[in-house]
Amino acid sequence: RKEVEQDPGPFNVPEGATVAFNCTYSNSASQSFFWYRQDCRKEPKLLMSVYSSGNEDGRFTAQLNRASQYISLLIRDSKLSDSATYLCVVNTRHNQGGKLIFGQGTELSVKP
Amino acid sequence: GAVVSQHPSRVICKSGTSVKIECRSLDFQATTMFWYRQFPKQSLMLMATSNEGSKATYEQGVEKDKFLINHASLTLSTLTVTSAHPEDSSFYICSALQVGSSYEQYFGPGTRLTVT
Repeated sequence: RKEVEQDPGPFNVPEGATVAFNCTYSNSASQSFFWYRQDCRKEPKLLMSVYSSGNEDGRFTAQLNRASQYISLLIRDSKLSDSATYLCVVNTRHNQGGKLIFGQGTELSVKP
Repeated sequence: GAVVSQHPSRVICKSGTSVKIECRSLDFQATTMFWYRQFPKQSLMLMATSNEGSKATYEQGVEKDKFLINHASLTLSTLTVTSAHPEDSSFYICSALQVGSSYEQYFGPGTRLTVT
């Protein structure tokens, strides 16, 4: 079983749609959680950290359920520029001081 | 701030040769740098953790004699792929952790290695 698993995708949605990505992790000792965005042939970029209370950044909302070891990302009013691969990432240490474990990514394509 | 560079961005080499990839933190000091590898349509996999002034820690299944890591200063880590083979062709990405902060790893732009 992979340590971090994501929806396989790809997700093809029209502009303005709401799309949700799911992620599960296997290590119950995981301490910190993130969503990264990776554009084709580029390095990953931190999109947002994920907190137990849930957090929102503009059109993006992240949720964490420690009991079920589940993380989600919701994108509202999707834009063409949101097209990318979204990576669910966990760390067994607080913040990013330790080893980041990446999910395989979910590809999103937003069409006009 | 917090810029990480990699050099080269792209390299093509012949099978059996060695390739060195540099990872530099341009505007901050990094005691720890990480080296990742990403094959097409797959996620990033951590290869090794590089600490300044000490030996790198390699992940299971990564050959330390094949992937030589040197972290000689607080702003530079190098990865040398020795005796490269076509199966080593991949996207190699480094990240750096700022001294005194464990909040975020800053990623370099990656190096695309093709071994012919």
